[in-house]
Formats: sequence, C-alpha cells, structure tokens
Amino acid sequence: EPEVTQTPSHQVTQMGQEVILRCVPISNHLYFYWYRQILGQKVEFLVSFYNNEISEKSEIFDDQFSVERPDGSNFTLKIRSTKLEDSAMYFCASSETEGNTIYFGEGSWLTVV
Amino acid sequence: QKEVEQDPGPLSVPEGAIVSLNCTYSNSAFQYFMWYRQYSRKGPELLMYTYSSGNKEDGRFTAQVDKSSKYISLFIRDSQPSDSATYLCAMSKSSGSARQLTFGSGTQLTVLP
Repeated sequence: EPEVTQTPSHQVTQMGQEVILRCVPISNHLYFYWYRQILGQKVEFLVSFYNNEISEKSEIFDDQFSVERPDGSNFTLKIRSTKLEDSAMYFCASSETEGNTIYFGEGSWLTVV
Repeated sequence: QKEVEQDPGPLSVPEGAIVSLNCTYSNSAFQYFMWYRQYSRKGPELLMYTYSSGNKEDGRFTAQVDKSSKYISLFIRDSQPSDSATYLCAMSKSSGSARQLTFGSGTQLTVLP
C-alpha cells in the first residue's frame, strides 16, 4: 500500500539552528500538508501546498517556516531559527485531489534543546 | 467554545465490547468528517471518511454523522486489544481550496483481553 514517508524520524537540534524535515508524499497525490502535534496536545494544521505554492496556512506558520517541493518527489518543511516551543512531532500528509482524504506519514519528532 | 470537542478519556473496555466514541463541533461550515486512529508516537491512520449525515459502515467500524446536532460518533463492534489506541475525530470545511483538518483532542482507548 502506498504511504507517505518522512525523514528523519527523530532530530535533536540546538535552539537557533535551522532544521529541514523531509517528506515523500504518495506518488499520484497533488496536495501536500504539514501538521504538528506538541506532546499531549491536538494535531494542528500548519500549511497546505498545491501546484508549487502555498494554498492555506495557519497562524502558527509564521516567517520562520517555509515549505518547498525541490523536485518531483520530495516536500520539505524548513524551520529557520528553531525555538524551544517548536519541539513537536511534525506530520507530512498528502491527498490525491482537493476533495479526497488525507493520508499521514509516521512523523518526524523534533526536539529543540 | 472550542471548534471541536472530544472527551479525552481514558476509556477502558473488555475485549468484545462495543465502543462508542464521540465528538461535537460548533462550526456548521464543517462538511467532511473523519476518524483517525493513532498509536503512540505514530502518524494518524485514516479509519473512516464521511460527508453527509447518516451512517457509514466498514467492517467492525460504523461512523455516524448528525449535522443537525453537530455530533459525530464512531462505533467499534467486537473490540479487540489491537484496537487500543488514541482515536481522533477530524473535520474540514467545504471544498474550494485545499482542505485543512481540524482535529479533536483524541480519546485514549484501552481494550483489555
């Protein structure tokens, strides 16, 4: 069964450092998403991406965040200058069309120290 | 009032029991309703996806949507220890742009052998 894959599974970084989280969405999917889940809290929407541009973003997704689809298969989330409160599980997700269901990856656990 | 409310549990049932999980929501713009299962430190796994009011059945799972009451339910029949996980309801508004999901806080379920 096709799946969304994410790397790394766990990353520890120092406050102020840049982090790039990588995702390979399901191959025929056109819509891509990043969500995050702070430990013990709800899964929260960060951003959606379609046709090489951001289509929606939440207020969490401020100027320190950016997304990119550098080639035909990868989708990345960059956090420019990490803060302690960025520690969370980051989930990449994708859907085939805008009206279809959204499938999540296993997540990348980011710890900022 | 929170957009999506879900009793966090924990809920503990004996094997074979019927489990009922529920969410209420306040925003009548929500049109699409999903249930995800999440094992500890893993990504949400889609279980059920519904659009209209009424019931949808898939194996041991039945999803129920009552838009007039802004209430959704997931029933699990003949529950198994492997069903032990956190169950997340999620919903999104009508199409027109790539949809962002709003999640409930999750209900932690333990099925005792």
